[in-house]
Amino acid sequence: AQSVTQPDIHITVSEGASLELRCNYSYGATPYLFWYVQSPGQGLQLLLKYFSGDTLVQGIKGFEAEFKRSQSSFNLRKPSVHWSDAAEYFCAVVPGNQFYFGTGTSLTVIP
Amino acid sequence: GAGVSQSPSNKVTEKGKDVELRCDPISGHTALYWYRQSLGQGLEFLIYFQGNSAPDKSGLPSDRFSAERTGGSVSTLTIQRTQQEDSAVYLCASSLGVAGNEQFFGPGTRLTVL
Repeated sequence: AQSVTQPDIHITVSEGASLELRCNYSYGATPYLFWYVQSPGQGLQLLLKYFSGDTLVQGIKGFEAEFKRSQSSFNLRKPSVHWSDAAEYFCAVVPGNQFYFGTGTSLTVIP
Repeated sequence: GAGVSQSPSNKVTEKGKDVELRCDPISGHTALYWYRQSLGQGLEFLIYFQGNSAPDKSGLPSDRFSAERTGGSVSTLTIQRTQQEDSAVYLCASSLGVAGNEQFFGPGTRLTVL
């Protein structure tokens, strides 16, 4: 069965530090891959997505993600975190029409 | 705006009562999804509508949950005989329906069952 794993439930980083949020999936073929962010009191917003081609994908707000087929991973990165990045981050895997979301990683940014 | 809207934004009800949650998708989006987000949990898929096809109800947790989509647009999620464990944020999303298209999410309805 398809599954999405975000192994880090909660991460705390200092403002200005780099960030990497992990996402691993289990699926026979390469699915479509997404990262969404949910800020406090807000709806989910798409950060970036991977369909095919270049395995390094650029998104909004300075985020990027790298698809690694050999590791079945799609980790999200940002070189320098801002306080406004504090939010919940969800990875999603889409093998067909249905989205399978991970349980999310909560990011806290300290000054 | 032209985004996905949901109503009400908050709903408090008593155990055993029925509730209806509404979702207005983005105009032209043929696919509509309902999810449930419990505190500290990810998004739990509930049901998926695509055009005129039969909905995918595989995520509905019990027969107390049902959903309709009228005219291929507005959708209503109904929970009958609510239980305290139904308390959660219910999210609706819509998309163009082609495989892998981005889902656009509404702000959600926070349901509290007392």
